[in-house]
Amino acid sequence: EVQLVESGGGLVQPGGSLRLSCVASGLTSSVYGMGWVRQAPGRGLEWVSSISSSGTSTYYADSVRGRFTFSRDNSRSTLYLQMNSLWAEDTAIYYCAKERYSSSSVVGLFDYWGQGTLVTVSS
Amino acid sequence: DIQMTQSPSTLSASVGDRVTITCRASQSISFWLAWYQQKPGKAPKLLIYKASSLENGVPSRFSGSGSGTEFTLTINSLQPEDFATYYCQHYNSYPYTFGQGTILEI
Repeated sequence: EVQLVESGGGLVQPGGSLRLSCVASGLTSSVYGMGWVRQAPGRGLEWVSSISSSGTSTYYADSVRGRFTFSRDNSRSTLYLQMNSLWAEDTAIYYCAKERYSSSSVVGLFDYWGQGTLVTVSS
Repeated sequence: DIQMTQSPSTLSASVGDRVTITCRASQSISFWLAWYQQKPGKAPKLLIYKASSLENGVPSRFSGSGSGTEFTLTINSLQPEDFATYYCQHYNSYPYTFGQGTILEI
């Protein structure tokens, strides 16, 4: 069974940093692209970032480009989202999601999602 | 960026009803559209991909149609567990944007 487990969320002050992790199990994660999607409290879904299976290609939403960095360690089946210069608008549940297709590129279609980790940016 | 607009924002229905949710893209996305279901406190669940392909394990009362800029999600014979929020999402190219969601309520 595919499982994605996020961690690393919490309360951070404006301007601060946080690193989220996502551990994938039940699959050969190294052949799938992965993504992060966030959801602000009471709001809709917003795609944040995607990474290719090898980790060599990354893509970001305009709202986070230059502040967030998505990386992966396939030997540990772990994904990381380094978030810097956080602001109140970044407050959200962050979901790690797996691409549906095994491919060297990203497609943006997600078939498995973790339960999410809450990031709260507040003083 | 491609904008996705869903209608209605809220839909009231009863068990056994047939309902349709519409999603419009601001430019053609061919058939690169997915539908997700989300229940309170839970992660989204993929229902439909490539506009009309049913994801494994999803009941056949769910169906999708459309191409280009206009798409629909239809749920036949609503069941109690179908009351949730539904999102469309395009994956034609990044950034992969979602619709604002449709709350399906009893």
